Amino acid sequence: DQQVKQNSPSLSVQEGRISILNCDYTNSMFDYFLWYKKYPAEGPTFLISISSIKDKNEDGRFTVFLNKSAKHLSLHIVPSQPGDSAVYFCAVFKGGQNFVFGPGTRLSVLP
Amino acid sequence: NAGVMQNPRHLVRRRGQEARLRCSPMKGHSHVYWYRQLPEEGLKFMVYLQKENIIDESGMPKERFSAEFPKEGPSILRIQQVVRGDSAAYFCASSPLIASTDTQYFGPGTRLTVL
Repeated sequence: DQQVKQNSPSLSVQEGRISILNCDYTNSMFDYFLWYKKYPAEGPTFLISISSIKDKNEDGRFTVFLNKSAKHLSLHIVPSQPGDSAVYFCAVFKGGQNFVFGPGTRLSVLP
Repeated sequence: NAGVMQNPRHLVRRRGQEARLRCSPMKGHSHVYWYRQLPEEGLKFMVYLQKENIIDESGMPKERFSAEFPKEGPSILRIQQVVRGDSAAYFCASSPLIASTDTQYFGPGTRLTVL
């Protein structure tokens, strides 16, 4: 029973274009949402987060959108750069419980 | 300020041996989480510990696996009598607060290979 889904295992985008990574969750009680980036042979690195009281959070080229009614989270990267090529995990959290990670989406930004 | 440290980075064991994975959290962090990533899969939660306490071990297999976080020293994830299916990358993460929105910071992982 997957609580967090990332239905696109991989995504290819041209450099300079927008990358949109999607994440769906099942439990409306989750109240904090994060995106992590992971390069091969390294641990995941925190990228950006959003709490359930917001619907958008922006940090430079990265914006996270939250649609609570749809239980949907997305990460927009614009403009995409080759260095953004990595696996992106969304994670959800409910206070007092543990993070639940999605299976990841492998983003390839083509020069 | 050093990040989360894990050692060894790579560990090779034969079936039936024991594997010990170590995690030193970030300075000031008293909460440690262990995750396992199987090939082509996402991160799966295993166990959450505070100093000298196991808070949640719901993700850890009931047999052969154990974890501790002593008052002094690193957190240890111990796998006894390893089998080939234990081959995976094991990541630990630390955070400063409980039940908060603080982020977990990950170590570089230990890649366990069971021959």
